[in-house]
Amino acid sequence: DAGITQSPRYKITETGRQVTLMCHQTWSHSYMFWYRQDLGHGLRLIYYSAAADITDKGEVPDGYVVSRSKTENFPLTLESATRSQTSVYFCASSEAQIQYFGAGTRLSVL
Amino acid sequence: AQKVTQAQTEISVVEKEDVTLDCVYETRDTTYYLFWYKQPPSGELVFLIRRNSFDEQNEISGRYSWNFQKSTSSFNFTITASQVVDSAVYFCALDTGTASKLTFGTGTRLQVTL
Repeated sequence: DAGITQSPRYKITETGRQVTLMCHQTWSHSYMFWYRQDLGHGLRLIYYSAAADITDKGEVPDGYVVSRSKTENFPLTLESATRSQTSVYFCASSEAQIQYFGAGTRLSVL
Repeated sequence: AQKVTQAQTEISVVEKEDVTLDCVYETRDTTYYLFWYKQPPSGELVFLIRRNSFDEQNEISGRYSWNFQKSTSSFNFTITASQVVDSAVYFCALDTGTASKLTFGTGTRLQVTL
């Protein structure tokens, strides 16, 4: 199916481990985004990308790394997971300034 | 800096009641876009509407309507004759056009009961 796919949907990891969340879109949208959703904060932008090999920080980038070697993929890596990174992560891509979201990844860091 | 405020954390209504979700935004930009997204219990985010800053016409889509008032920096969302399926968290968001980045409000949880 066309759209935006996130994997895994659920992940449990331990403090200090590296974790990569995957995001794949089939629309060839130029812009892609990563957000985290936490109670009381809504969604906050972590990183975004305007095109392949172009990425930039959002509001809460510390502790995260992104790459975008291909237009359709935008993985998010937690280099050394911390408990404060327990959250629901959403990937999005945009067309005509409308963002379309993946189903989310629920990450628990123990 | 951009900011979106959704002062109503949670609203409970009985089915068939009308309900209005408030959204107040702050920006110094003259060109911007406002959005509403719905997040049902299943967790995905569903796009509902986009409105640009130059178009203050109210919009109606079925039971949904949106009231945009630049004078009060508000973009309120009304559901007429609410239904149980409207139960969700609703987010208002602002895009000032800088790389299409969205600034979200904290969301309003709407619970519609029978």
